Amino acid sequence: KNEVEQSPQNLTAQEGEFITINCSYSVGISALHWLQQHPGGGIVSLFMLSSGKKKHGRLIATINIQEKHSSLHITASHPRDSAVYICAATYGNKLVFGAGTILRVKS
Amino acid sequence: DTAVSQTPKYLVTQMGNDKSIKCEQNLGHDTMYWYKQDSKKFLKIMFSYNNKELIINETVPNRFSPKSPDKAHLNLHINSLELGDSAVYFCASSQELRGVGDEQYFGPGTRLTVT
Repeated sequence: KNEVEQSPQNLTAQEGEFITINCSYSVGISALHWLQQHPGGGIVSLFMLSSGKKKHGRLIATINIQEKHSSLHITASHPRDSAVYICAATYGNKLVFGAGTILRVKS
Repeated sequence: DTAVSQTPKYLVTQMGNDKSIKCEQNLGHDTMYWYKQDSKKFLKIMFSYNNKELIINETVPNRFSPKSPDKAHLNLHINSLELGDSAVYFCASSQELRGVGDEQYFGPGTRLTVT
């Protein structure tokens, strides 16, 4: 069964903290996506990766193929990072989503 | 310049009605999608089209019918609306033929409320 599990479900952090969101998946994916959904509802693609690590500003995404695990890190978190972060995996020609992590960064 | 646009943004209608949601992308992408986000914010793919050809058709009621007049447009028509159809519907597009493995660009979403 193609599944994507995310943790934690909810995360509250203080401004400046280092944040990690985890995602695990089953075998056979061709790519792993990290998406951000703002409180206003819009969805933005942050990363798409199939191996290694990618960095964009304060955001870092890593994937470990052997362990079937990916992480999204946010360094020096800021209240504007508050959003829902969604992990999604490509199985064949289908994108399967995790349930999302609700992140709230307090100032 | 909006990359992926959807209309309408909000749609309130009564059970039994037929409604359509339109989607357009100006990115020159080959593949377009419809996703449904339920009240628990869980996203699920409904359909995928590549160059006007249906690629993915998930287990959705046949009251839902996608229509792609050209590769820049993918509309969603829903017949005989039911209460359970209330959700946010997102359109998205991506570049490559294989589609789903590539970065996706999402529209702003259409919040459908069926009363």
